[in-house]
Amino acid sequence: EDQVTQSPEALRLQEGESSSLNCSYTVSGLRGLFWYRQDPGKGPEFLFTLYSAGEEKEKERLKATLTKKESFLHITAPKPEDSATYLCAVHRGGADGLTFGKGTHLIIQP
Amino acid sequence: DAGVIQSPRHEVTEMGQEVTLRCKPISGHDYLFWYRQTMMRGLELLIYFNNNVPIDDSGMPEDRFSAKMPNASFSTLKIQPSEPRDSAVYFCASKGQGDRIQYFGAGTRLSVL
Repeated sequence: EDQVTQSPEALRLQEGESSSLNCSYTVSGLRGLFWYRQDPGKGPEFLFTLYSAGEEKEKERLKATLTKKESFLHITAPKPEDSATYLCAVHRGGADGLTFGKGTHLIIQP
Repeated sequence: DAGVIQSPRHEVTEMGQEVTLRCKPISGHDYLFWYRQTMMRGLELLIYFNNNVPIDDSGMPEDRFSAKMPNASFSTLKIQPSEPRDSAVYFCASKGQGDRIQYFGAGTRLSVL
């Protein structure tokens, strides 16, 4: 059974204080690892897809990395508008649905 | 494109009543997914369709839940009878053939009293 574990559950940072969110996964035949951002009262919004170990992708203050067992979402010099819940999900071979972790609730204080 | 459209945004009902949630996928997308989000279990896949045909319904919690996709632009998720433990946010998502990114709607927040 596919498993996705995210840590920490919640993280409070000061504006400009860099940090990383972790996503550990167990999946048979990984076809892709996804990061989504979810704001209160809204649906998840796609950020990144990573396909193989060693791959990295960047978007503004966010950078996602992937190893064979985990993914990190690094946030550099965050701003209050980066406050949201960040969700990690895996897509395995032979299926089309995603298996999600429970998310990391990130708060950036000005 | 308007994105994935779900209705209603909020639904409050009493235990035992029938509830119908609606979804319009992005035009041209071949896949449609229904997910449920709770604090305890996070976001879970309930069922998905490809070209209007249900492919995997193993996530549907029990026979009280049913989903249909009568055409490429409309899907429903029905709960009959509803129970308080069904209270959650229900999301619909869609993706195109050969595309791995799923695009989510804004969700329906269901409260069963």
